[in-house]
Amino acid sequence: YVLTQPPSVSVAPGQTATITCGGRNIGSKTVHWYQQRPDHAPVVVVHDDNVRPSGIPERISGSKSGSAATLSVSRVEAGDEADYYCQVWDSTSEHVVVFGGGTRLTVL
Amino acid sequence: QITLKESGPTLVKPTQTLTLTCTFAGFSLSSYGVGVTWVRQPPGKAPEWLGFIYWNEEKAYSPSLKNRLTITKDTSKNLVVLTLTNLEAVDTGTYYCAYIVSDYFAPWGQGTQVIVSS
Repeated sequence: YVLTQPPSVSVAPGQTATITCGGRNIGSKTVHWYQQRPDHAPVVVVHDDNVRPSGIPERISGSKSGSAATLSVSRVEAGDEADYYCQVWDSTSEHVVVFGGGTRLTVL
Repeated sequence: QITLKESGPTLVKPTQTLTLTCTFAGFSLSSYGVGVTWVRQPPGKAPEWLGFIYWNEEKAYSPSLKNRLTITKDTSKNLVVLTLTNLEAVDTGTYYCAYIVSDYFAPWGQGTQVIVSS
């Protein structure tokens, strides 16, 4: 199973960044999103498609349609600059856990 | 508070066996439903799932690695051990262990760097 993300997204401070994650029948799967700052471990920022863990700002949100999952970061700040990865747990595939290729969010 | 920390050698020669330890606190791997996973990340690339182990010894491995990978646990010592045999240069990367929450991972350990080189 393959999850496809754009390699990079660039936005100006204060604008909204949108990162997509596509995969076959992704609408039927539960999608999770991680933020990874340089030299740090990934941290989950959205789980179960659209649930924000405590401590994650409301500016970060997740959604999903039949064809793609989306992570949105509104009112982007310099501190949001990081790599973002989507992830699914696909028990119907040999690769039980799959990560997307990642999207580098650059704040201009 | 759940914490995990990976440890092991930084430099390993090709064909050798890698053994990494994940030492955790804040939960017990003998408790119902609890699991720990291993994920690695080659330099500049996306994370790659390696495998997991649950409280009841249920395990799963990435198909690309299952011939070389073994994950075990020592519940009394609060640790999980990853063993990867016949190392190659492509096994170079940062190795993480993480706590499994239903079907995602949080928190992760800080990671340990592994370089495969002669």
